[in-house]
Amino acid sequence: QKEVEQNSGPLSVPEGAIASLNCTYSDRVSQSFFWYRQYSGKSPELIMSIYSNGDKEDGRFTAQLNKASQYVSLLIRDSQPSDSATYLCAVNSHSGAGSYQLTFGKGTKLSVIP
Amino acid sequence: NAGVTQTPKFRILKIGQSMTLQCTQDMNHNYMYWYRQDPGMGLKLIYYSVGAGITDKGEVPNGYNVSRSTTEDFPLRLELAAPSQTSVYFCASSYSAGGGDEQFFGPGTRLTVL
Repeated sequence: QKEVEQNSGPLSVPEGAIASLNCTYSDRVSQSFFWYRQYSGKSPELIMSIYSNGDKEDGRFTAQLNKASQYVSLLIRDSQPSDSATYLCAVNSHSGAGSYQLTFGKGTKLSVIP
Repeated sequence: NAGVTQTPKFRILKIGQSMTLQCTQDMNHNYMYWYRQDPGMGLKLIYYSVGAGITDKGEVPNGYNVSRSTTEDFPLRLELAAPSQTSVYFCASSYSAGGGDEQFFGPGTRLTVL
């Protein structure tokens, strides 16, 4: 059973601070890692993807991947109230017969306090 | 492009009733997926399809059936509704399943079984 673990939160940060979201995964051969943002009552939307060890930056968002530790994180700099949402970590792993599946964590709820 | 559309948005079923959740995508994606999301939980894969005429079970397929007669449509069938099927159902699609292909999600169907 492939597992993706996240702290459920809620994680509360003041406006302008850095929010740090963490995720660990169990499948050592996973190759692709994603962060989805989900506003309450809405569908998930992709905000970051990362495939190689190290950091990947996109605007205020930085994804960090350490395959040896089976750990992926998301940093949000200069957090805004509009960043308040649940962040889902997803890991793409091979499921046999040439297909892949995304396994999602339960999500971390982030609240940015004005 | 409408992306991924789902109908209905909301539905209340009585125990033992049947229904079909509709999903259509206009992005010519080969891969389509059905997930369910229970409160405070991540997304669980119910069924997926790698192309017209080809479907396979995900993590939680019991109580559901799917078909894929066209590239665009991927309906999910509940034959004998049970309270355990109360959930939010998301349909998603992607161009391929390997590597880093983003999954695009529909708006969801909120189903209650009483």
